[in-house]
Amino acid sequence: NAGVMQNPRHLVRRRGQEARLRCSPMKGHSHVYWYRQLPEEGLKFMVYLQKENIIDESGMPKERFSAEFPKEGPSILRIQQVVRGDSAAYFCASSPPGTPRGTEAFFGQGTRLTVV
Amino acid sequence: GESVGLHLPTLSVQEGDNSIINCAYSNSASDYFIWYKQESGKGPQFIIDIRSNMDKRQGQRVTVLLNKTVKHLSLQIAATQPGDSAVYFCAENRQGAQKLVFGQGTRLTINP
Repeated sequence: NAGVMQNPRHLVRRRGQEARLRCSPMKGHSHVYWYRQLPEEGLKFMVYLQKENIIDESGMPKERFSAEFPKEGPSILRIQQVVRGDSAAYFCASSPPGTPRGTEAFFGQGTRLTVV
Repeated sequence: GESVGLHLPTLSVQEGDNSIINCAYSNSASDYFIWYKQESGKGPQFIIDIRSNMDKRQGQRVTVLLNKTVKHLSLQIAATQPGDSAVYFCAENRQGAQKLVFGQGTRLTINP
């Protein structure tokens, strides 16, 4: 049973380009969470999604950032017109249905985004 | 002014000694707490959790203590081993919320 799969592991983008980060949850998991981690800091919640629905996006920047979790395929975190401040590690976590508080979440290995 | 490039608190212990990592949380409504271990280049890995109706919970070589009066959480690792070297984060969750709120983290280094 594969864990949460994120790709790419490392992504380099020039300022102004778009970044697409992918997350395939664990088999049977229908809840996906995205977190961002700056160097030497803890993880910060960004967004919580279920299949085809955004449930909580209170941690998402208002502009340039979007997330989706389609009926088929991985969850995508999209960052448009990246800036240097977007450089961070982005982690995805997933949990099974019926976990009311999302605390039984397993994390992926993360995507390290570097904006040059 | 602002501090840029804050460094994680660091705890250095001798191999074989016990480690105690502390965490202060801020939200009185939080009633579920988790400790995670994060090794370099990897995602957070669940270690142990505790609910607010408990003040102590033990796992294999780890113990979590919760003091709700002062909003303090600690992780004790017995007989620390080289493989315990990592950054340790506490995270809190409150009823009705799906997200975890992570603390700053503590870097644990093991001296041979």
